[in-house]
Order: sequence, then structure tokens, then C-alpha cells
Amino acid sequence: NAGVIQTPRHKVTGKGQEATLWCEPISGHSAVFWYRQTIVQGLEFLTYFRNQAPIDDSGMPKERFSAQMPNQSHSTLKIQSTQPQDSAVYLCASSLETGRDTQYFGPGTRLLVL
Amino acid sequence: SQWGEENLQALSIQEGEDVTMNCSYKTYTTVVHWYRQDSGRGPALIILIRSNEREKRSGRLRATLDTSSQSSSLSITAAQCEDTAVYFCATDSGGSNAKLTFGKGTKLSVKS
Repeated sequence: NAGVIQTPRHKVTGKGQEATLWCEPISGHSAVFWYRQTIVQGLEFLTYFRNQAPIDDSGMPKERFSAQMPNQSHSTLKIQSTQPQDSAVYLCASSLETGRDTQYFGPGTRLLVL
Repeated sequence: SQWGEENLQALSIQEGEDVTMNCSYKTYTTVVHWYRQDSGRGPALIILIRSNEREKRSGRLRATLDTSSQSSSLSITAAQCEDTAVYFCATDSGGSNAKLTFGKGTKLSVKS
């Protein structure tokens, strides 16, 4: 079991460019979560999917951010027209079901927007 | 914010000492999750406590939950260097919504 896989581990983009982050959940897990971590704001929820369907995107910035889960083996988080304030570690987690099942986190993608 | 503390706290202790980290939360919850995060890695669940448990133990870890004061604590007995990490408390939204709301965390350094 490789755990949750996130690629790339590090990404540097120029202001205004697009960034796509990938997450491969643990096989058999039906829920996928995205969080963002910064020094100032800490760990913040962005969005999550259950059985590939979007359930709660209340943490997603209204503009430029979008997430998809086209199949059960991967999810993507896309940031259009990146800004320096988007610099953060983006964490993906998966769990067997939802409710109170343990969320297993990936190592994160460190995004730096110059 | 769901949580009372506003900033990442830092604690530095010597190996062998006991340490307790505290969290207070603002909205009702019946479950508190405690995660640890090692440098360069994602958070990992170390203990989960429900409101009907009040206290939960796992090895050298002890978690408490007081729903009347809306607070939780995590204690580590006889801390070791490998306990050095950032520790977070988190609550979920209850029901079928599983998103977690994290506290700011405590950066624990255990020195030999």
C-alpha cells in the first residue's frame, strides 16, 4: 500500500500561470479531500468528493480554483492565473467512507508562485 | 474560526518529560481527532476521542475531551526525540459531512 500519492511534490509557477495538482487516493477509498496549509492560515479544508461526486466545496476560493475527480483513482486541483498568495502546501487525503473514518494524508504538493 | 487558539504554539522539552497540549473549540462536536505532522509529510491520525469516552489512551498518548468546556487535550508520557512533530487537533462537521477543521497546532521539540 503506497498510501496517498501526490504529484508533483514541488511546483514553481510564475504569476498568472496555471497549476494542476494530482492526487491518487488509496485503492478502495471512496472519499477524497483537499486541504491547503500555510504558516499564517494553518490547515484549511478546500473540497471533498465521495464516490467521485462533489460533496462540499465550501472552502474553495470562488475564483480560479477548481477540483475534479474523473475516476476513482485520481483527483485534480487546478488553479488558474496563479497568484503569490496561492503559495502553500496542498494536501490530499482519502478515507474508506466518510463520517468518522480516518483520513489518510498524502505528502502534499508545495506550490510556489513567483 | 472553529478553534480558540489563533497561532501555532511551540513547546520545547527534554527527553523523558511529560507534556500536555490543549485545544479549545467554539462549536459543538462529539469527536476530536489528534494528528501529528512530521516535517515534509502530511498529517497522520494518532488518536481519536469521542464525547462518550472523556479519556482515551494509546501507548504513551492520552487524550481527553470535555464537551462542557469545549476543550480537548493530548498528553505524551516520557516524551522521546521521535515525538518531535507538529500536533493538531481537529473536529469534523458531524453527520455525513466528514471535512475536518484543524486547530493551529503545537510544534513540539523533544531534546536529548
